[in-house]
Amino acid sequence: DADVTQTPRNRITKTGKRIMLECSQTKGHDRMYWYRQDPGLGLQLIYYSFDVKDINKGEISDGYSVSRQAQAKFSLSLESAIPNQTALYFCATSEGADLGYTFGSGTRLTVV
Amino acid sequence: GEDVEQSLFLSVREGDSSVINCTYTDSSSTYLYWYKQEPGAGLQLLTYIFSNMDMKQDQRLTVLLNKKDKHLSLRIADTQTGDSAIYFCAESTSGTYKYIFGTGTRLKVLA
Repeated sequence: DADVTQTPRNRITKTGKRIMLECSQTKGHDRMYWYRQDPGLGLQLIYYSFDVKDINKGEISDGYSVSRQAQAKFSLSLESAIPNQTALYFCATSEGADLGYTFGSGTRLTVV
Repeated sequence: GEDVEQSLFLSVREGDSSVINCTYTDSSSTYLYWYKQEPGAGLQLLTYIFSNMDMKQDQRLTVLLNKKDKHLSLRIADTQTGDSAIYFCAESTSGTYKYIFGTGTRLKVLA
């Protein structure tokens, strides 16, 4: 099994719908992150969590919310999806920021 | 604000060396990283260098850091078709959560 598992891998949804992307990890890391990748823009941080009770906004949190259900689970929700949220979404974990990240395989989300 | 810049594309012939360059602006950067992203996959940490080092070598990979010019490079010796991917440079500052990624360089290896 992968260290960081994201579901679903691909999703097409309609404008205005609520959607949840899920992430689970077996690394035992406290830190978890959600990033968004757009072509030519690199990765942008949406939310990050250092433990179950510590959740913080990243650079582009508007329109998104998160839930840290357990040390191993961190989900990202789009409350009312819009087309410019079409992107590749990555979950990542780390033991500490200096030690590098372990990434999931990504969720490709298309909002039509 | 802090920024990390990379060229978008690089094309090399199989067997040649590839050099992927990155510049960054944050002088307090502690660690600098190279990640590889293959099609349909997440980013995979290739190597990293601590800011007080000039060079790090790991098999076919050589990382060079010029801290004065804030320039980082990744050299891949004997480039293979399996090295075709997007390579991301990233930097972090110790004690913060922040991790700044470059836009990625798409490496295409020609047979």
